[in-house]
Amino acid sequence: AQRVTQPEKLLSVFKGAPVELKCNYSYSGSPELFWYVQYSRQRLQLLLRHISRESIKGFTADLNKGETSFHLKKPFAQEEDSAMYYCALENSGAGSYQLTFGKGTKLSVIP
Amino acid sequence: DTGVSQDPRHKITKRGQNVTFRCDPISEHNRLYWYRQTLGQGPEFLTYFQNEAQLEKSRLLSDRFSAERPKGSFSTLEIQRTEQGDSAMYLCASALGNPGNTIYFGEGSWLTVV
Repeated sequence: AQRVTQPEKLLSVFKGAPVELKCNYSYSGSPELFWYVQYSRQRLQLLLRHISRESIKGFTADLNKGETSFHLKKPFAQEEDSAMYYCALENSGAGSYQLTFGKGTKLSVIP
Repeated sequence: DTGVSQDPRHKITKRGQNVTFRCDPISEHNRLYWYRQTLGQGPEFLTYFQNEAQLEKSRLLSDRFSAERPKGSFSTLEIQRTEQGDSAMYLCASALGNPGNTIYFGEGSWLTVV
């Protein structure tokens, strides 16, 4: 069964410090991974997906199949990055291509 | 805002009552999902529609839950004989066309069963 693990419930960093939000997955097929973000009082929205290899709002994430990880990184945290971050794995074995989410990590950037 | 809209945003109901949530997906999005999210957890998949056809249901979707998407546009999620364990945020999401396209989420409907 597929599973997504985000080991940290809360991560606090100072403004300007590097950020790394951890995500590990378990999946038998070829994984498609995503990071979703939820800012305060806003809806869940896609931040980035590994297949596009984009950098969004300064965030990047690299898929490491050997370590089954997809950690989210940003070199210099900004106050506006404070939000809830969810790692998600697409189940391509199901016709729905549903997402399996981790429990989320709350990022708090201290001014 | 032309995103996914959900109604009502908040619902408080007594145990044993029935509740219905509505989701209006982004126009022309043929794929529609329902997820449930409880405190401290990520969203969990409930069910999936492609156009009007309900193609997948999670084991989380007990027989007290029913979802419809008549005419492949809006969708409803009904919970019959609510229980306190049904208290959660119910999220609707939609996507266009082929798998792999971005899934867009609504703001969710909060259900509290007292």
